[in-house]
Amino acid sequence: AQTVTQSQPEMSVQEAETVTLSCTYDTSESNYYLFWYKQPPSRQMILVIRQEAYKQQNATENRFSVNFQKAAKSFSLKISDSQLGDTAMYFCALEGSNYQLIWGAGTKLIIKP
Amino acid sequence: ETGVTQTPRHLVMGMTNKKSLKCEQHLGHNAMYWYKQSAKKPLELMFVYNFKEQTENNSVPSRFSPECPNSSHLFLHLHTLQPEDSALYLCASSQDTGGLTDTQYFGPGTRLTVL
Repeated sequence: AQTVTQSQPEMSVQEAETVTLSCTYDTSESNYYLFWYKQPPSRQMILVIRQEAYKQQNATENRFSVNFQKAAKSFSLKISDSQLGDTAMYFCALEGSNYQLIWGAGTKLIIKP
Repeated sequence: ETGVTQTPRHLVMGMTNKKSLKCEQHLGHNAMYWYKQSAKKPLELMFVYNFKEQTENNSVPSRFSPECPNSSHLFLHLHTLQPEDSALYLCASSQDTGGLTDTQYFGPGTRLTVL
């Protein structure tokens, strides 16, 4: 079975700090995609970043980057220079063998001024 | 964000009511999805449509009835719901469902409360 686990229900950091959100997954597929989605209080689910499993280079999008450890099945999200607008629920997701997304339970991130 | 819209944003209904949720995507995508998001639980995929054809029904109770008249519109018809059906219902779309590169784009959701 394919699973996604986010072990941190909630985190809070001061503005401008760097924060890392954890995600581990399990799959028997050799090629797959991993995603981080952000859901702010407005509820709109927004794609933050995605990683192709066959690419060794970690994906980056401005202040957002991932640490993808394929052997360890780990896919953490690092947010640098955190901003108040980064306050949101963050969901890790794995594209499963039937091309459907398998979701983690989410991490609530609070950026404090 | 106006790529995927959902109406209404909030809905309160009794267990004997019949209501419908509407989703519309303006991205030219071929696939559309309904998800249920309950507190502290992973998103639950309910239905998938690709080119107007239902390709997935993840054991959803029959009191939820989807309808996809065209690739741009998706409805979720609700009848005789239970209080445990109260949740945020999210619609998403993607270019297709057939490949690993199809990123899903989400609407803002409908917050449903069943009394």
